[in-house]
Amino acid sequence: EVQLVQSGAEVKKPGESLKISCQGSGYYFTRYWIGWARLMPGKGLDYLGIIYPGDSDVRYNPSFRGQISISADKSISTAYLHWNSLKASDSGIYYCFRRGSLWSAGFDPWGPGTLVTVSS
Amino acid sequence: QSALTQPPSASGSPGQSVIISCTGTSSDVGAYNYVSWYQHHPGKAPKLLIYEVTQRPSGVSDRFSGSKSGSTASLTVSGLQAEDEADYYCSSYAGSDTYLFGTGTKISVV
Repeated sequence: EVQLVQSGAEVKKPGESLKISCQGSGYYFTRYWIGWARLMPGKGLDYLGIIYPGDSDVRYNPSFRGQISISADKSISTAYLHWNSLKASDSGIYYCFRRGSLWSAGFDPWGPGTLVTVSS
Repeated sequence: QSALTQPPSASGSPGQSVIISCTGTSSDVGAYNYVSWYQHHPGKAPKLLIYEVTQRPSGVSDRFSGSKSGSTASLTVSGLQAEDEADYYCSSYAGSDTYLFGTGTKISVV
């Protein structure tokens, strides 16, 4: 069974750094893209960016470039979403998802989400 | 880039059909047949329902169908069931290696 398992909930203060993870199993991790999306309270989904673990090719949503970093360690089938300096507005639920080789492919499956709370 | 526009809510009685719209621009929905739809029950992982405007992944009920006209895509949920009560999001490729999601629609089964 194809699965994405995400790291647990985090509570951080503004200015702190954070890295959350998404581990894939049940498929060849290096052959599919892994993307990230954010769900903020009372709002919809935002697309953050996507990485191809095979060669760590990353494509960011221009709206989020510079605010986040996406990386992957193919040796442990894990992708990461990283912040150097968190803001309160980064609070939300962060989901990872798998995407096939084509830009037309849907996002399937999704991870269960990681709740990030940034508060002083 | 702005989010794709969806109605905040839609509702129907069991057995009825509900149609959700997803309006973009000539740079995203109108430019590519790369529209997908997702069902999200709060607290759970979103689920892919439709990709490439009309394609259904294996295992997804044929009560879900997609279409597109110009810059507006639509998701039809037929034979509404209580379990369909959830949030629904559209997504479209927007060029320049990025995607847009819709604002989300909550379907209520009344």
